[in-house]
Amino acid sequence: AQSVSQHNHHVILSEAASLELGCNYSYGGTVNLFWYVQYPGQHLQLLLKYFSGDPLVKGIKGFEAEFIKSKFSFNLRKPSVQWSDTAEYFCAVNLKAAGNKLTFGGGTRVLVKP
Amino acid sequence: GAVVSQHPSRVICKSGTSVKIECRSLDFQATTMFWYRQFPKQSLMLMATSNEGSKATYEQGVEKDKFLINHASLTLSTLTVTSAHPEDSSFYICSASRPGNYEQYFGPGTRLTVT
Repeated sequence: AQSVSQHNHHVILSEAASLELGCNYSYGGTVNLFWYVQYPGQHLQLLLKYFSGDPLVKGIKGFEAEFIKSKFSFNLRKPSVQWSDTAEYFCAVNLKAAGNKLTFGGGTRVLVKP
Repeated sequence: GAVVSQHPSRVICKSGTSVKIECRSLDFQATTMFWYRQFPKQSLMLMATSNEGSKATYEQGVEKDKFLINHASLTLSTLTVTSAHPEDSSFYICSASRPGNYEQYFGPGTRLTVT
């Protein structure tokens, strides 16, 4: 079955540490890839997206992600986190052949200690 | 731009009653809207996809007679939870996409509690 996997369920780190969240998908076709963030008590916000072109995508708030097609991965990174990055992060994949439907990964809760 | 609202934000209802949740795209026309369910500390699960003027497409395992979806206009979709039971208590989130655009814009969600 097609799926999206996020390897880390919980991540705890200190301010200024680097963050990398893994995301792998199992779709065989052409995909669009997204990372969303959900801050406590808030709705989902788009961090960044990849449709085509340069596999290194830069998003808001200093986040970036790299699409590695051979590894079916779209890992999210941030060189230096802040306390305000405490949130839940969701990777999502859209299989172009399936229209606009998104399949979400299980999410990763990130806690940044001040 | 691309703001999606949901109403109500929270609702408590008694078992056996029906609840309607509205999803509106405020500043764009949404040909497609999606309804998700999010259990505590879990990810979003797609329930159904609705296109304006046509019947919704439900995901496997979602009861179409229980979760009625109406996409009456390009800016409004409604989800009605019929004969609600405590196990229907959850966070329901809608999203909307523009024509020809793969990106989805999410609403703030509606927390349903069935007592």
